[in-house]
Amino acid sequence: EIVMTQSPATLSVSPGERVTLSCRASQSVSSNLGWYQQKPGQAPRLLIYGASTRATGIPARFSGSGSGTEFTLTISSLQSEDFAVYYCQQYNNWPPYTFGQGTKLEIK
Amino acid sequence: EVQLLESGGGLVQPGGSLRLSCAASGFTFSSYAMSWVRQAPGKGLEWVSTIGGSGGTTYFADSVKGRFTISRDNSRNTLYLQMNSLRAEDTAVYYCAKVQYVFDVWGQGTMVAVSS
Repeated sequence: EIVMTQSPATLSVSPGERVTLSCRASQSVSSNLGWYQQKPGQAPRLLIYGASTRATGIPARFSGSGSGTEFTLTISSLQSEDFAVYYCQQYNNWPPYTFGQGTKLEIK
Repeated sequence: EVQLLESGGGLVQPGGSLRLSCAASGFTFSSYAMSWVRQAPGKGLEWVSTIGGSGGTTYFADSVKGRFTISRDNSRNTLYLQMNSLRAEDTAVYYCAKVQYVFDVWGQGTMVAVSS
């Protein structure tokens, strides 16, 4: 099973700031990596697939990069609606699909 | 508009059974694999099960293997999760999700609570 590790667990940031979230895989997942956003009481929403391709309707301030075992999600200028929990997920070697434990973005 | 709507959650005693449903609309249901993903209270996301578009292939997390069954009725555009021998650790919100490599569309979730 591929273990996905996200860092940090919590990030306190101010609106307008640029933020980078990290995700590491225990073995290579090539570019088969997705990012999801989850707000309280809501279902997750797909942001990024293929490590760097934005899903339909996702604003350009969200960008993904990386391949192999190291990945990042960057939000170029945080908006109030971006404060949420973000998960990475690999789909290179499944079953099982595996998720990181999540990074919570909170308002500083 | 692509939509997924889960139902069937509730409170069940340990050892009991429950069947979840997920009604799909807005896409050609039979063309896509579908999955169940769960989230225990205050915890992260855990993949539970996936079924191929035709229903011929199924996959399960080790934590539910032998207790849960996934199925689909493509004539009714509906996905199911039959959960037997439920345990306290199965308590979670259960989401159905459309699979296109990633989980590209999610339902709103249905809560399952296993408690005596």
